[in-house]
Amino acid sequence: GAGVSQTPSNKVTEKGKYVELRCDPISGHTALYWYRQSLGQGPEFLIYFQGTGAADDSGLPNDRFFAVRPEGSVSTLKIQRTERGDSAMYLCASSLTSRGRTDTQYFGPGTRLTVL
Amino acid sequence: QKEVEQDPGPLSVPEGAIVSLNCTYSNSAFQYFMWYRQYSRKGPELLMYTYSSGNKEDGRFTAQVDKSSKYISLFIRDSQPSDSATYLCAMSAYGNQFYFGTGTSLTVIP
Repeated sequence: GAGVSQTPSNKVTEKGKYVELRCDPISGHTALYWYRQSLGQGPEFLIYFQGTGAADDSGLPNDRFFAVRPEGSVSTLKIQRTERGDSAMYLCASSLTSRGRTDTQYFGPGTRLTVL
Repeated sequence: QKEVEQDPGPLSVPEGAIVSLNCTYSNSAFQYFMWYRQYSRKGPELLMYTYSSGNKEDGRFTAQVDKSSKYISLFIRDSQPSDSATYLCAMSAYGNQFYFGTGTSLTVIP
C-alpha cells in the first residue's frame, strides 16, 4: 500500500565524489522514471525503465549519470565525479504503464542532493 | 523554445476566488495532459489527468485542453489556503517521456 519511497531524503557530498540515490516504486508498477528538478523549475526527464531495461535514457545529461533496475523493482541512480551543478532535487516516479500506452505517474518525495 | 511554457507567477488570490492556471506547448504530438500540485520540498502530487481535448471536472478542479490552440488550463473554484502550492503542468506524446512546465506558485490568502 505504500507509495514511492526514495532514500536518502537529503544527501550532501563534495565535488568529485560518487553518489547513489535509491528509489522503491509502488509494488506492481512496471514503469519507473527518474527526474531532476532544480529550484524554481519543473522536473526534467532523465531516464525511463520498463521492467529491468532502460527504455529511454535520452535525458541523462552526460556519461557521469547512470541508472539501473536489475530486478525490475528498486532502481538506483548513480552519479560519478559529482559537480556543483548536479545539486538539485532528484525525483523518482512509477506507473503501471505497459508498452504502448500511458498511465499516471506517482512521484516519491525526492532526494535533495547538494554538492559542495 | 521550450516544449512547455508556464507562467511562474507568483499568483496571490483571496480565499474563495477562482484561480486560472495555464500552459502552452509547441509539440502537436502531445496527447496526454496532467496537472500536478507540489508543496515545498515535496514530490509532485497528481491532480488531474486528461487525454486529448476537452474538459474534465473533479470537485473544485476543472482541467481544459484545447489542442487546436496548444493551450491547457486548470481552474480552481472556491480556492482555499490549503491550495497554496506550486502547480505544474505536464504532457506527453506517447506516454513515456513527460515534459513539465516550470510551475506556477499560488498563494491563497485567508
